Amino acid sequence: AQSVAQPEDQVNVAEGNPLTVKCTYSVSGNPYLFWYVQYPNRGLQFLLKYITGDNLVKGSYGFEAEFNKSQTSFHLKKPSALVSDSALYFCAVSVPHGNNRLAFGKGNQVVVIP
Amino acid sequence: DTEVTQTPKHLVMGMTNKKSLKCEQHMGHRAMYWYKQKAKKPPELMFVYSYEKLSINESVPSRFSPECPNSSLLNLHLHALQPEDSALYLCASSSTIDQPQHFGDGTRLSIL
Repeated sequence: AQSVAQPEDQVNVAEGNPLTVKCTYSVSGNPYLFWYVQYPNRGLQFLLKYITGDNLVKGSYGFEAEFNKSQTSFHLKKPSALVSDSALYFCAVSVPHGNNRLAFGKGNQVVVIP
Repeated sequence: DTEVTQTPKHLVMGMTNKKSLKCEQHMGHRAMYWYKQKAKKPPELMFVYSYEKLSINESVPSRFSPECPNSSLLNLHLHALQPEDSALYLCASSSTIDQPQHFGDGTRLSIL
């Protein structure tokens, strides 16, 4: 079965500084990896995905993530954080022929300090 | 604006009531999902419909009854719920497993 670990509960960063949210995964076979963001009283919004190809993927709102197969990681990054990036971030993984089941990490609360 | 529409946005019900949550998408997605989410926690999968047939039931209590009338609609019928069922209920849809799930904004359910 697939699983995701997001080791930190909360990430605090000053506005304008780089933001990193960590994610490691465990699957049998090749992973499909996703990042979602959730703002208060909203559903999850898709940010970016890795399926195959280039290890560096770019997504919405200036976010990017790097797939590292040897470290089984898929960390989310943004070069310059905005106060509006304060939200709950989820990493998720699925696998080919995985019956549409998506495994989520526990989530990271990101707080961007003005 | 989200492409998956859920109604109602808020619902307060007693433990003896019967109510339904509704979800609609017009993206042509053939997989639809119900999740339960507690505050600051990840969504927990409840049900998956694939091509209008129930493909996954994550051992959800029978007081939750899903229904997929057609490829665009998904309902969740509620009956005799417990206080611990209070949560945000999210609907999602997707085209294929390598594509992201699209989430609605959820129904916030409170059980009195």
